[in-house]
Amino acid sequence: DAKTTQPTSMDCAEGRAANLPCNHSTISGNEYVYWYRQIHSQGPQYIIHGLKNNETNEMASLIITEDRKSSTLILPHATLRDTAVYYCIVRSPFTGGGNKLTFGTGTQLKVEL
Amino acid sequence: DVKVTQSSRYLVKRTGEKVFLECVQDMDHENMFWYRQDPGLGLRLIYFSYDVKMKEKGDIPEGYSVSREKKERFSLILESASTNQTSMYLCASTLGYEQYFGPGTRLTVT
Repeated sequence: DAKTTQPTSMDCAEGRAANLPCNHSTISGNEYVYWYRQIHSQGPQYIIHGLKNNETNEMASLIITEDRKSSTLILPHATLRDTAVYYCIVRSPFTGGGNKLTFGTGTQLKVEL
Repeated sequence: DVKVTQSSRYLVKRTGEKVFLECVQDMDHENMFWYRQDPGLGLRLIYFSYDVKMKEKGDIPEGYSVSREKKERFSLILESASTNQTSMYLCASTLGYEQYFGPGTRLTVT
């Protein structure tokens, strides 16, 4: 599995954009980048994923560099409810289909007034 | 909505007991996973299953076994619980690219 590196913690003011970086310099050509988040006392929740191109959905945007060695998750207008641990994950395929995900320790994002 | 449920939110067991953690999903997903989560270590994969009666070891399978007799149910078994198995246990299921997680079971072994 490609290893990911994320900052341990970040702060963001409510209403501002939160930009969460992730390094994955050993990513293989067929590996996707996934982002999940975990709000306190809940199971992780899928946010977004991408391979090469930038992606956007109702929750966030994902910017992947051209060399694919790093990516940034953008929450355009962070709210207090976005306070959570954010995991950047590189997906490894396994037999039988589906996804095996290797979670790191993530980034604790704290959104403040 | 996809629902992944776990049998207990909190569980306290004694050292040496046999412990069963149950996970049920209602979306006919083929793939199911068991993780444990510890402070400073993130989520670590214990076992996964990609079909009924099929199982694969994850990164930390020692001290655990699993059972998948029906598609919707994936059980994690601690044959003889030890204090170092005190942790938060999370179950997940997936059909495609998105894993759906249950609420977790916080197990304390005393």
